[in-house]
Amino acid sequence: DIQMTQSPSTLSASVGDRVTITCRASQSINTWLAWYQQRPGKAPKLLIYKASTLESGVPLRFSGSGSGTEFTLTISSLHPDDFATYYCQQYNDYVPVFGQGTKVDIK
Amino acid sequence: QVQLQESGPGLVKPSETLSLTCIVSGDSISGDFWNWIRQPAGKGPEWIGRIFSSGSTDYSSSLKSRVTISVDTSKNQFSLNLTSVTAADTAVYFCARGGGSLDRWGQGTLVTVSS
Repeated sequence: DIQMTQSPSTLSASVGDRVTITCRASQSINTWLAWYQQRPGKAPKLLIYKASTLESGVPLRFSGSGSGTEFTLTISSLHPDDFATYYCQQYNDYVPVFGQGTKVDIK
Repeated sequence: QVQLQESGPGLVKPSETLSLTCIVSGDSISGDFWNWIRQPAGKGPEWIGRIFSSGSTDYSSSLKSRVTISVDTSKNQFSLNLTSVTAADTAVYFCARGGGSLDRWGQGTLVTVSS
């Protein structure tokens, strides 16, 4: 299976900060990558698919980029609602695989 | 707006079979992929498998020998059976829609494996 590695594991930031999370795949996945936000006790919520396409209703402060093996999720200006855990997920092959997550907490 | 809701026992004994159902409302289950994902406490999600509305399935290689996913289009629901469970199968189990990215999720249900 393709392995997905996120960095950092934890990120401390303040409201208004620009935040970037990185996700690396163990082999090329083209742009078959999604990003999710998960708040405690809730299901993951799809933010971005195909590496850079924003899901309907997701705020424009979220953006994704990358292709091949390296991808980034950027939050341009952190809102209070954005303190959560973020996961990448590849779907290049038939087995979807998630990264281990990046927790964004309050500095 | 499609909604998914998991149902099933919250406690299963070791060596027994975990059975969950996901009821889909707000849209037909036909013509789409439906997934089961689990998440142990403090860890990332793990994909278990998926079924297309026609009945074709894909499973995680690590769970394939113990997993069966089925669909009942007449009831607009799909189900998960996981056999021979151990404590390692304790997790929150989610159902979700999608053939690649997963755009709609149920709220999740905690299943604990314990005697």
